[in-house]
Amino acid sequence: AQSVTQLGSHVSVSEGALVLLRCNYSSSVPPYLFWYVQYPNQGLQLLLKYTSAATLVKGINGFEAEFKKSETSFHLTKPSAHMSDAAEYFCAVSDRYGGNDMRFGAGTRLTVKP
Amino acid sequence: DTAVSQTPKYLVTQMGNDKSIKCEQNLGHDTMYWYKQDSKKFLKIMFSYNNKELIINETVPNRFSPKSPDKAHLNLHINSLELGDSAVYFCASSQTGVDEQFFGPGTRLTVL
Repeated sequence: AQSVTQLGSHVSVSEGALVLLRCNYSSSVPPYLFWYVQYPNQGLQLLLKYTSAATLVKGINGFEAEFKKSETSFHLTKPSAHMSDAAEYFCAVSDRYGGNDMRFGAGTRLTVKP
Repeated sequence: DTAVSQTPKYLVTQMGNDKSIKCEQNLGHDTMYWYKQDSKKFLKIMFSYNNKELIINETVPNRFSPKSPDKAHLNLHINSLELGDSAVYFCASSQTGVDEQFFGPGTRLTVL
């Protein structure tokens, strides 16, 4: 079964600094990978997804992630953090060959300091 | 138009009561889910339905019973509520089991 591990339950950056949120996956088949964001008191919304096209995936709000098979990683980055980026971020993996079984990581809380 | 909606948004109730949470999606998706998010933000899948058929039933107490009257609706009924059931419950939908999921706004359940 597939799984993801998010390294760091809490990341704090200054406004304007680089954001790097780490995600490593485990899957016996080529995965689909996703990053979701959850703002306070809201549901999750998709930031970006990897489905085997380009390995560098661009998402909304200036975020991007790179699929690295050799490292089994799918880290999320943003060059310059904004205050509005403060939220909980979830990495998720699904098995592209089927099943209704998307697995989410434990989440990383991003804090942005002024 | 809201893509995935849930009612109610907040639910406060006493231990031992029975309650239901409703979910509707207007995206035409075939697959719907229920998740439980605890106070540490950990998201755990509870159930998954594909075209009204139960696909995933994780280790969830049988006090929790999902019902899908049609593929646009997936309701969650909880019997004999316990303190540990307090959490935020999210409904989600997707076109297939591997696609991105669209989440509802959540229902915050508090059991006193």
